[in-house]
Amino acid sequence: DVVLTQTPPTLLATIGQSVSISCRSSQSLLHSNGNTYLNWLLQRTGQSPQPLIYLVSKLESGVPNRFSGSGSGTDFTLKISGVEAEDLGVYYCMQFTHYPFTFGSGTKLEIK
Amino acid sequence: EVQLQESGPGLVKPSQSLSLTCSVTGYSITSNYWGWIRKFPGNKMEWMGYISYSGSTSYNPSLKSRISITRDTSKNQFFLQLNSVTTEDTATYYCARYRREFDYWGQGVMVTVSS
Repeated sequence: DVVLTQTPPTLLATIGQSVSISCRSSQSLLHSNGNTYLNWLLQRTGQSPQPLIYLVSKLESGVPNRFSGSGSGTDFTLKISGVEAEDLGVYYCMQFTHYPFTFGSGTKLEIK
Repeated sequence: EVQLQESGPGLVKPSQSLSLTCSVTGYSITSNYWGWIRKFPGNKMEWMGYISYSGSTSYNPSLKSRISITRDTSKNQFFLQLNSVTTEDTATYYCARYRREFDYWGQGVMVTVSS
């Protein structure tokens, strides 16, 4: 199975600070069709996970543009440019390139 | 608006079967893919499997032959059955629509496996 390693496991940020989360894959997530199926989700406390970004860098409808995704192959990054209070929760990367689909270990964003 | 809702017992005894229903409104399950994902105590998430618009299925090999996902298109529902459960199957279970990603999720149902 593809192992997705997220760092850091916990992130402590102040409002307005920019932060980044890394997601490293144990193998390339480039599909034979040319797409890279790496997504990011946020799970706020007591809520279901919600999608943020798909295909590495495409913003899901309704997601603020302070969120951005980048990367290729095995190294990916989620960046939040100017953290807001509503951003706290657990962030996951997830890959759909290889079966079985797998999730990263999660990064908990806490607000100072 | 697409909405999903899980239902089923919150407590299952070891060695028994876990059965959950996902009721979908606002979208037909004869389009796209429909999956089950679980979150264990802590942060670990696991994709369990999905059923396609045509009724074909794909499962996580880690669940081997214990899992079955079926559907009832007349009720716009799909189902999860997990056999021979152990305490390690204690988790919150989510159903979700899979298109380019898991874009719509249910609220989740917590299932505890305990005698």
